Amino acid sequence: GAVVSQHPSWVICKSGTSVKIECRSLDFQATTMFWYRQFPKQSLMLMATSNEGSKATYEQGVEKDKFLINHASLTLSTLTVTSAHPEDSSFYICSALQGLAGKYEQYFGPGTRLTVT
Amino acid sequence: QKEVEQDPGPLSVPEGAIVSLNCTYSNSAFQYFMWYRQYSRKGPELLMYTYSSGNKEDGRFTAQVDKSSKYISLFIRDSQPSDSATYLCAMRASSGGYQKVTFGTGTKLQVIP
Repeated sequence: GAVVSQHPSWVICKSGTSVKIECRSLDFQATTMFWYRQFPKQSLMLMATSNEGSKATYEQGVEKDKFLINHASLTLSTLTVTSAHPEDSSFYICSALQGLAGKYEQYFGPGTRLTVT
Repeated sequence: QKEVEQDPGPLSVPEGAIVSLNCTYSNSAFQYFMWYRQYSRKGPELLMYTYSSGNKEDGRFTAQVDKSSKYISLFIRDSQPSDSATYLCAMRASSGGYQKVTFGTGTKLQVIP
């Protein structure tokens, strides 16, 4: 199956700093990638849909100026959490969409655990 | 009302038991139904994928979709300790192109040796 990687796998940062998370599709090109956030014992909440070469589409309630998304190539999307606060501590998961002959599969990365102190 | 409802568990079963995991949903536009397995501190992994109603079997796993009742199930036969994980149901509509996936909250399963 297709592989999606994320870097870093975990990060600790101080309140007020910014953190960048990378999502890469390793063996396929993904024009669309998704960013999710998952709090303990809760489901994946879609934050935004990232399309290569265009602006990301954010879900209602997600601050686009706080969570900056850049999908600069067909294999890389980045999420930057700006001016992080302790309430931003969460598990961030990306997924990449593979489309083949009209069929779509969404492959998930291993996640990045962010802790803001 | 949430679009997708899933009992969070936890569900604890002895090794070898048959496990039944379920979700209900309210959006009749959902056509694609998935089950993901998520180990602790890891990303979700696609287990089963079903289009519309019916059954699908893959090894020890069987997925069932009943669109008339808006109810989907995942059965695990001969459960193993390695099946201990959180199982997420997910579904999406199909209306040209790719529609975003809606996830259930996940059911935590523990298989006791």
